[in-house]
Amino acid sequence: TQLLEQSPQFLSIQEGENLTVYCNSSSVFSSLQWYRQEPGEGPVLLVTVVTGGEVKKLKRLTFQFGDARKDSSLHITAAQPGDTGLYLCAPSNDYKLSFGAGTTVTVRA
Amino acid sequence: GAVVSQHPSRVICKSGTSVKIECRSLDFQATTMFWYRQFPKKSLMLMATSNEGSKATYEQGVEKDKFLINHASLTLSTLTVTSAHPEDSSFYICSASGRRGGGTDTQYFGPGTRLTVL
Repeated sequence: TQLLEQSPQFLSIQEGENLTVYCNSSSVFSSLQWYRQEPGEGPVLLVTVVTGGEVKKLKRLTFQFGDARKDSSLHITAAQPGDTGLYLCAPSNDYKLSFGAGTTVTVRA
Repeated sequence: GAVVSQHPSRVICKSGTSVKIECRSLDFQATTMFWYRQFPKKSLMLMATSNEGSKATYEQGVEKDKFLINHASLTLSTLTVTSAHPEDSSFYICSASGRRGGGTDTQYFGPGTRLTVL
């Protein structure tokens, strides 16, 4: 059974600060996707990482995939209130996604 | 713009009635559609996977007679919650997997349907 952990569970920061959320597992992922979900809406895909050690940047968001493909991190620089939401990591194996519990990020103006 | 739609966005029904939720892929053919359930402040739990023209595959613990899934075409899947009870109240989200613009398979999520059973 794949164990997937996201940390921290909750994160509240001031606008302009940086933050990092983590996604860790005991299993190797073929690929991993990061989503952001706002209340009452479906998740929106942010990025897919596939290669161990891969780093992808999306404006102020930096995604890293661990060398062993068991962990990933999302770093947000100079967070803005619009970054508020539930951040979910979802490894993909056999085309099915297994979602972590998520990190609820609140950016205060 | 949105690539997957769900209808209705919200539904309130009486206990014992059945509710149908539609999931449509708008600009691509979805070879596979997935149905998830999400409780407040919790993550998404996969309920079932459906492929067009075949029976859905349900995750362990999900009652297939309770949650009927029909994937009639490459752009439409429906989830029917039969004889709904208050404990079925939840946020139901679908996703569609397929290739848009020749890219790799990705799951695109619908906006969700909030079901409240009184």
